[in-house]
Amino acid sequence: AQSVSQHNHHVILSEAASLELGCNYSYGGTVNLFWYVQYPGQHLQLLLKYFSGDPLVKGIKGFEAEFIKSKFSFNLRKPSVQWSDTAEYFCAGASGGSYIPTFGRGTSLIVHP
Amino acid sequence: KAGVTQTPRYLIKTRGQQVTLSCSPISGHRSVSWYQQTPGQGLQFLFEYFSETQRNKGNFPGRFSGRQFSNSRSEMNVSTLELGDSALYLCASSLVGLAGAPYNEQFFGPGTRLTVL
Repeated sequence: AQSVSQHNHHVILSEAASLELGCNYSYGGTVNLFWYVQYPGQHLQLLLKYFSGDPLVKGIKGFEAEFIKSKFSFNLRKPSVQWSDTAEYFCAGASGGSYIPTFGRGTSLIVHP
Repeated sequence: KAGVTQTPRYLIKTRGQQVTLSCSPISGHRSVSWYQQTPGQGLQFLFEYFSETQRNKGNFPGRFSGRQFSNSRSEMNVSTLELGDSALYLCASSLVGLAGAPYNEQFFGPGTRLTVL
């Protein structure tokens, strides 16, 4: 079965630290990959997405993710986090044959000022 | 443009009851998807409606059902509630939905928090 796994369930960082959240998927073939963010009390919103082309994808608020096909990975990165990045982050994927997205269980990020 | 709205925002029910949740998509969006979000399972896909037809369905029991109206508004119904149905139910809308390429971004509503006692 298709799956998306996020390695870190809880991450605690200090402001200005670098962030990398892991995401692996189990699909073969064409994949569409996403990172969503859910700030406290707010809607789930799209951070960035990968369909094809440049494997380094830039999203909003300084986030980026790199699609590495050989590793089935789509890790999210940010060079310097801020307190306002405190949120729940979800990786999601959909294979080319089915566009129903599968979500990872989420990573809770807490950034201390 | 107004975002996706969901009503009610909070619900408390008891086991055995049924519940109906409502979702109004972004104007012009024809696809509405429903998800269940729980701390242990993350987001799980329930179903997707497009032009009043259920087009995709996740692995949930038949107690979970939905429908879509001609104005694209959607309702989700859960019958014979169980304690394990306590969750945040999210609705998402998109222009085209979960079929065809390119994939269309989904816009999520704030969710309905259902508590089953």
